[in-house]
Amino acid sequence: DTEVTQTPKHLVMGMTNKKSLKCEQHMGHRAMYWYKQKAKKPPELMFVYSYEKLSINESVPSRFSPECPNSSLLNLHLHALQPEDSALYLCASSPFTGELFFGEGSRLTVL
Amino acid sequence: ELKVEQNPLFLSMQEGKNYTIYCNYSTTSDRLYWYRQDPGKSLESLFVLLSNGAVKQEGRLMASLDTKARLSTLHITAAVHDLSATYFCAVGKADSNYQLIWGAGTKLIIKP
Repeated sequence: DTEVTQTPKHLVMGMTNKKSLKCEQHMGHRAMYWYKQKAKKPPELMFVYSYEKLSINESVPSRFSPECPNSSLLNLHLHALQPEDSALYLCASSPFTGELFFGEGSRLTVL
Repeated sequence: ELKVEQNPLFLSMQEGKNYTIYCNYSTTSDRLYWYRQDPGKSLESLFVLLSNGAVKQEGRLMASLDTKARLSTLHITAAVHDLSATYFCAVGKADSNYQLIWGAGTKLIIKP
């Protein structure tokens, strides 16, 4: 069982919609991540929060907006997405070893 | 610039056979990770290798790290069908606690 919980598991949205992906972990990890994964590709890092502060933004378009309300929660706000943004969005957390613990992912389809 | 190469990218093998997946990387790093991904699923951490000569084993899988050769191997012993998955190696960037460079993944199919 994963200790990183992501909701929703599936999301279909139009290009004008606003939606959010949510992630929660209770392992006490201080680093939390958003990754994007396309089929048959490795995951691509989007954002990293360390101690609830945004540490890394991998030049992600502004239509993706991360938020870390507290050390256990991570959100990804979506607005005006494009069909090419359809992908599996993975949340992860890590201890000091850097080992990533992934959630089950949110599969996003943009129509 | 750190680059990570995995090979092979695709491997079809029979149950009971042994095989090795290789992960080469181009610049110095002291952190290497192996992950497994089943079709349509998320990634599962398999091994964390943090020092030269590190060897970790879990069941039929064994991973090792040679930082001088910039090479990690994932060895499969007496493969079983349940090990069919895509395996990724990921190498930590020396100047970042958080950024990993991922290999392209090895899709492993084990036939009964």
